[in-house]
Amino acid sequence: GAGVSQSPRYKVAKRGQDVALRCDPISGHVSLFWYQQALGQGPEFLTYFQNEAQLDKSGLPSDRFFAERPEGSVSTLKIQRTQQEDSAVYLCASSLENSAVTDTQYFGPGTRLTVL
Amino acid sequence: AQSVTQLDSHVSVSEGTPVLLRCNYSSSYSPSLFWYVQHPNKGLQLLLKYTSAATLVKGINGFEAEFKKSETSFHLTKPSAHMSDAAEYFCVVSVGTYKYIFGTGTRLKVLA
Repeated sequence: GAGVSQSPRYKVAKRGQDVALRCDPISGHVSLFWYQQALGQGPEFLTYFQNEAQLDKSGLPSDRFFAERPEGSVSTLKIQRTQQEDSAVYLCASSLENSAVTDTQYFGPGTRLTVL
Repeated sequence: AQSVTQLDSHVSVSEGTPVLLRCNYSSSYSPSLFWYVQHPNKGLQLLLKYTSAATLVKGINGFEAEFKKSETSFHLTKPSAHMSDAAEYFCVVSVGTYKYIFGTGTRLKVLA
């Protein structure tokens, strides 16, 4: 079946522009995650949704970052007034449910954001 | 606090020889541990996971890992490397129900 998809795959923004990154999780998956992967680093947790509820946004680096999942399916990560340090690959992942044992997360291909 | 350390940033092996990618973790509680692989321009793919069942975990493509609590290690091995194994590998620790903590990755190079 279809995996996690993300769009756009590549985004170039001028410093100060706003960007919106989209994630389509696997159908029926309850949990959705956003990660930021800087060049040469491992992904770092940004935020977590269970259905439409944003249960953890502790990893968002600043108040310029905002994520939503209004209908419990598609999610959008918005970055306002982009800065050069926002340049990274943004990964989305989904998992079937929030169980007592850590559920496997399935990752999308990512969106590579370059801020000039 | 939980953390994971991948001891080698780069590993080179010849095709047909064994692969060893090292990972040590730190966790106050019984962790879940994962290995993911990332090929260029592709998403992270789960290789295997440990969730307190058998300590020797078998994954896809001939990879396996052994959970050693006394050494706080979860090293990834494969008996014989294939050219298609060349990629970035990430060790991941998770405590609780959802938050993943990634290592910095090990880039595996396979020489012909």
